[in-house]
Amino acid sequence: NAGVTQTPKFQVLKTGQSMTLQCAQDMNHNSMYWYRQDPGMGLRLIYYSASEGTTDKGEVPNGYNVSRLNKREFSLRLESAAPSQTSVYFCASKQTESYEQYFGPGTRLTVT
Amino acid sequence: GEDVEQSLFLSVREGDSSVINCTYTDSSSTYLYWYKQEPGAGLQLLTYIFSNMDMKQDQRLTVLLNKKDKHLSLRIADTQTGDSAIYFCAERGYGGSQGNLIFGKGTKLSVKP
Repeated sequence: NAGVTQTPKFQVLKTGQSMTLQCAQDMNHNSMYWYRQDPGMGLRLIYYSASEGTTDKGEVPNGYNVSRLNKREFSLRLESAAPSQTSVYFCASKQTESYEQYFGPGTRLTVT
Repeated sequence: GEDVEQSLFLSVREGDSSVINCTYTDSSSTYLYWYKQEPGAGLQLLTYIFSNMDMKQDQRLTVLLNKKDKHLSLRIADTQTGDSAIYFCAERGYGGSQGNLIFGKGTKLSVKP
């Protein structure tokens, strides 16, 4: 049982490049989330998906797009990366009525 | 708006008790959580407390909730070096969509042998 998996683990981009961060969960969870973690800032919600086919903005959505491809997969896209997007990105999932979010191991992204 | 505040650092000696404090602003929060993040890893749920409880104990962990002061604390008894991690307090607002969590900035606990 893999839980929540994220790819890649590390990525370096140049300013203006694009990339997609992948997230998949095998727990049949309805809700999925993308967070970014910056030093001294805690976790901030970028986008979430309450169920397959729906996505909503979180606290810091600018510069990002998401796709809930199916119930298992939720991807995060940076169309034109900026140095301010250097961060560690976490995907999480949970069942709708549960209180516990399960987190992936994170993707460490550096934009130069 | 919802906000969760924590001190950023705590250092203790092995065997001592650690107390990590948190304040929150949303008085309608129904659940409050403590997550643990070990170096290079994602977050894991450590424990949680419902807002109708004052205290919850789970082995070495004790969670205290003071709703009047909107204060939450996590006490770790007999702290071990393996407890070194970042601890995040989080609240789930009553109006939050689908269980969205508001996290504090995290308290980095350092345990010295």
